[in-house]
Amino acid sequence: QKEVEQDPGPLSVPEGAIVSLNCTYSNSAFQYFMWYRQYSRKGPELLMYTYSSGNKEDGRFTAQVDKSSKYISLFIRDSQPSDSATYLCAMNSGNTPLVFGKGTRLSVIA
Amino acid sequence: GAGVSQTPSNKVTEKGKYVELRCDPISGHTALYWYRQSLGQGPEFLIYFQGTGAADDSGLPNDRFFAVRPEGSVSTLKIQRTERGDSAVYLCASSLGLAGELFFGEGSRLTVL
Repeated sequence: QKEVEQDPGPLSVPEGAIVSLNCTYSNSAFQYFMWYRQYSRKGPELLMYTYSSGNKEDGRFTAQVDKSSKYISLFIRDSQPSDSATYLCAMNSGNTPLVFGKGTRLSVIA
Repeated sequence: GAGVSQTPSNKVTEKGKYVELRCDPISGHTALYWYRQSLGQGPEFLIYFQGTGAADDSGLPNDRFFAVRPEGSVSTLKIQRTERGDSAVYLCASSLGLAGELFFGEGSRLTVL
């Protein structure tokens, strides 16, 4: 079992839809949880950063962490074609390198 | 530029050849990371530098892979006797520290024929 599991998709939604992306993990030491967005042939860029359990909102994006279930989610409201990208979850314990999920490929259709 | 710079952006080589990939981090970032991303996969950790020293090289797949950062800034990832399975995008990232935000370069796409 990989430390971080993420459904690779692809996921295709119409413009304006709410998108839900998620990851599960097995290492209970993970405390820092991130979502990166990666456009085709580009490097990943940080989208959301959460410490421990709870919710964090930034504009159309909401990140949720449930440490008891070892489950994290990213919600995108009012999705736009420009949101089409691969979304990578990543996490670590704070003193170890980031471990990434496989990434979910999202297409938002106009 | 202000971001992480990686060269070359594309490298095609033959099996058995030696390859060097270069990373120029954001100025002032003491931490530097190399990750490898295969098609359809997330980035996989290779090695991490804090300053000039390799703080964690546990992700290097075997002794054909080696990385240096002699002056605590630019880093070079070196791959000897390349194999077709080494084909991937090699990503470099830098941060202010291990707990800081990682800023990635656009990657070096290596193809081994």
